Amino acid sequence: QQKVQQSPESLIVPEGGMASLNCTSSDRNVDYFWWYRQHSGKSPKMLMSIFSNGEKEEGRFTVHLNKASLHTSLHIRDSQPSDSALYLCAASGPGNTGKLIFGLGTTLQVQP
Amino acid sequence: EAAVTQSPRNKVAVTGGKVTLSCNQTNNHNNMYWYRQDTGHGLRLIHYSYGAGSTEKGDIPDGYKASRPSQENFSLILELATPSQTSVYFCASGDQGAGDTQYFGPGTRLLVL
Repeated sequence: QQKVQQSPESLIVPEGGMASLNCTSSDRNVDYFWWYRQHSGKSPKMLMSIFSNGEKEEGRFTVHLNKASLHTSLHIRDSQPSDSALYLCAASGPGNTGKLIFGLGTTLQVQP
Repeated sequence: EAAVTQSPRNKVAVTGGKVTLSCNQTNNHNNMYWYRQDTGHGLRLIHYSYGAGSTEKGDIPDGYKASRPSQENFSLILELATPSQTSVYFCASGDQGAGDTQYFGPGTRLLVL
């Protein structure tokens, strides 16, 4: 059982549309969440992090965090074909000393 | 952004052979990590290190050793490579705080025949 669960497994959105990705931790000892993006054949690159309840926006990307439910979501508005990638959610907590727990990811395909 | 490099980028090895994957980071991060990524399993942590001279077992350490001779360098060693170790291997670095980001190298594709 993955401690970090992501949904959906895959998602297809039209160019210009909104993509919404979800992530929940079953490990109660986490306080910090990251979203990484991994294009095909490349390494994961950190996209956004969120450590406090609420919302954080950077350009077309918005992340939400609800610490009570250990749920985070990533929303991509005006999706572009270049956003097509594997999106990985990662979590960490005070006892982890830098170690991350990764989910299996959501594969996003943006269709022109 | 943090600079993490890996070598080789691609490697073909024979079953039973020894394979060494190398990682270098130039950002003075304390922590370094080795992951493998396989379809259906995601990123799995093999070994990690808190600093020069230290190595710790991750979630799937069997069949792998690690070495951290300096702050900058972290190696993953497969003493007796098996076909099940065919995978993409990523090295990452970061600091020791729970809120510190990990930065990944470009990856090494390993094929064990």
